[in-house]
Amino acid sequence: NAGVTQTPKFRVLKTGQSMTLLCAQDMNHEYMYWYRQDPGMGLRLIHYSVGEGTTAKGEVPDGYNVSRLKKQNFLLGLESAAPSQTSVYFCASRVGIAEAFFGQGTRLTVV
Amino acid sequence: GENVEQHPSTLSVQEGDSAVIKCTYSDSASNYFPWYKQELGKRPQLIIDIRSNVGEKKDQRIAVTLNKTAKHFSLHITETQPEDSAVYFCAASKVTSGTYKYIFGTGTRLKVLA
Repeated sequence: NAGVTQTPKFRVLKTGQSMTLLCAQDMNHEYMYWYRQDPGMGLRLIHYSVGEGTTAKGEVPDGYNVSRLKKQNFLLGLESAAPSQTSVYFCASRVGIAEAFFGQGTRLTVV
Repeated sequence: GENVEQHPSTLSVQEGDSAVIKCTYSDSASNYFPWYKQELGKRPQLIIDIRSNVGEKKDQRIAVTLNKTAKHFSLHITETQPEDSAVYFCAASKVTSGTYKYIFGTGTRLKVLA
């Protein structure tokens, strides 16, 4: 039982490049979330999903897209990376109104 | 929109003293309030949570209190130890049109001085 796994763990992108972050969970959780963490700003919700095939915008969705084609996977895409998207990204999953389990994070640097 | 304010942003205490972190939420429909601890370079992990039908919950040296009328909740750590040093996040969650948003505070960096 691996819990929540994010890939990759580190990535450096050039401005304008695209990439996809993968989040996989093996706990059969319905709800999945993508957050970004910046110093002094806590965890800000980018997008979330309440089930396979559904997605919704969070607090800071601009510049990101997501997809949930399979229940266990939640993908976060950056179509044209910008330096302002340099951050640590965390994926989380949960079932109902309960504890959220986080992945180990992805440190992304856009130069 | 929904908002969770957390104070203080940094807190230093002497080993053995108590630490208190406070959060205020804006949406009275929020009904689940977890606290997470994040050690340097690691993922956030749940340390304690409380639901809106309970006023206080304890787990060894950690306790959380909830005041629904004032819309604030607090984390209390007693007999602090160096390993309590970390960033602590509060969160508020509710059901919105069948979905479960999960909004975090901005975090408190706790330093326990030996």
